[in-house]
Amino acid sequence: DADVTQTPRNRITKTGKRIMLECSQTKGHDRMYWYRQDPGLGLRLIYYSFDVKDINKGEISDGYSVSRQAQAKFSLSLESAIPNQTALYFCATSEQESSYNEQFFGPGTRLTVL
Amino acid sequence: AQKVTQAQTEISVVEKEDVTLDCVYETRDTTYYLFWYKQPPSGELVFLIRRNSFDEQNEISGRYSWNFQKSTSSFNFTITASQVVDSAVYFCALSLAGYQLIWGAGTKLIIKP
Repeated sequence: DADVTQTPRNRITKTGKRIMLECSQTKGHDRMYWYRQDPGLGLRLIYYSFDVKDINKGEISDGYSVSRQAQAKFSLSLESAIPNQTALYFCATSEQESSYNEQFFGPGTRLTVL
Repeated sequence: AQKVTQAQTEISVVEKEDVTLDCVYETRDTTYYLFWYKQPPSGELVFLIRRNSFDEQNEISGRYSWNFQKSTSSFNFTITASQVVDSAVYFCALSLAGYQLIWGAGTKLIIKP
């Protein structure tokens, strides 16, 4: 079984709709991240969480919110989706005490906003 | 400022050719880590290598090799005798103390049969 899972894997929605992307991990890691990937731009950090009660904004948090329901679960919400949020979204985890911050990625969710 | 530059947007070679992907980074930190990830057409991110700032030894893993040079702030990746299965987007990333991973824009590698 995959260590980091994301649901759904693909989603097509309309402008203005509320969307939730979910991430679960079985690695036992405290740190979780949400990234967005656009062509030619690499990955950009949306939000990150170091613990269940810890939520932090990343580089591009506007238009997004997150919820850390448990150590193993980290959800990303688009309250009112817009077309320029069409992208590939990745969830990642890392160990709390990892000095090199190697991150382990889920398979990605491809989101299309029409 | 912290930054990772992958100047090659796309590279196309014929199978069995050697190919080098360039990565140049900027940071004032003395302790950092560098990574390479592969993203095949299926979309997942596959970890390839991690290197810390105190270890400038080159690394070889099969057909893959990495050349880390602090003097030029570069961490280049070479594939020897390329194969069609090497076709992917390759990302270089810089990790600083704490949590942040700074990503390059990626290089799309196309290996033609």
